[in-house]
Amino acid sequence: NAGVTQTPKFQVLKTGQSMTLQCAQDMNHNSMYWYRQDPGMGLRLIYYSASEGTTDKGEVPNGYNVSRLNKREFSLRLESAAPSQTSVYFCASSNTIRREQFFGPGTRLTVL
Amino acid sequence: GESVGLHLPTLSVQEGDNSIINCAYSNSASDYFIWYKQESGKGPQFIIDIRSNMDKRQGQRVTVLLNKTVKHLSLQIAATQPGDSAVYFCAEPYTNFNKFYFGSGTKLNVKP
Repeated sequence: NAGVTQTPKFQVLKTGQSMTLQCAQDMNHNSMYWYRQDPGMGLRLIYYSASEGTTDKGEVPNGYNVSRLNKREFSLRLESAAPSQTSVYFCASSNTIRREQFFGPGTRLTVL
Repeated sequence: GESVGLHLPTLSVQEGDNSIINCAYSNSASDYFIWYKQESGKGPQFIIDIRSNMDKRQGQRVTVLLNKTVKHLSLQIAATQPGDSAVYFCAEPYTNFNKFYFGSGTKLNVKP
């Protein structure tokens, strides 16, 4: 039981490049989330998915797209990376009843 | 305690002392709150939760207090240990049941 896994762990991009962050959970959770965390800051919600096939914007969705591929997987895409997107990205999941979120280890992204 | 902004509040305590971390929330209709712990380089981890129909909830060495009159939460850690050194976040829900706002966090330093 791996919980929430994220790939890659680290990534360096140049401005304008694109990439996809991958997230998978094996807890059979319905809800999945993408957050970003800037130095000394709390977590800010980028996108949320309540179930397979549904997605919803969070606080800071601009510059990002998501895909809920199936119940297990939720990916985050940066189409044209900008230095302002340098951050640590966390994926999380929860079930509908408990609401407690389980987090992955994070992806540390630097955009030059 | 927690505050919105760029500076992460820091609490320094001596090993063995009790710690109190505070959090102000914004929505008087929030029905549920969660405290998370984030160790350096890791994703946040659930500590304890509390529903709005409760004033107090106890876990193992942790207690959460809820004061709805002033919209304030506190996390008390008894007999603080070096392993408690981390950043602590409180989270309150959006109007959407399963989406949460995270506070900016309080860094706890435990001195041996």
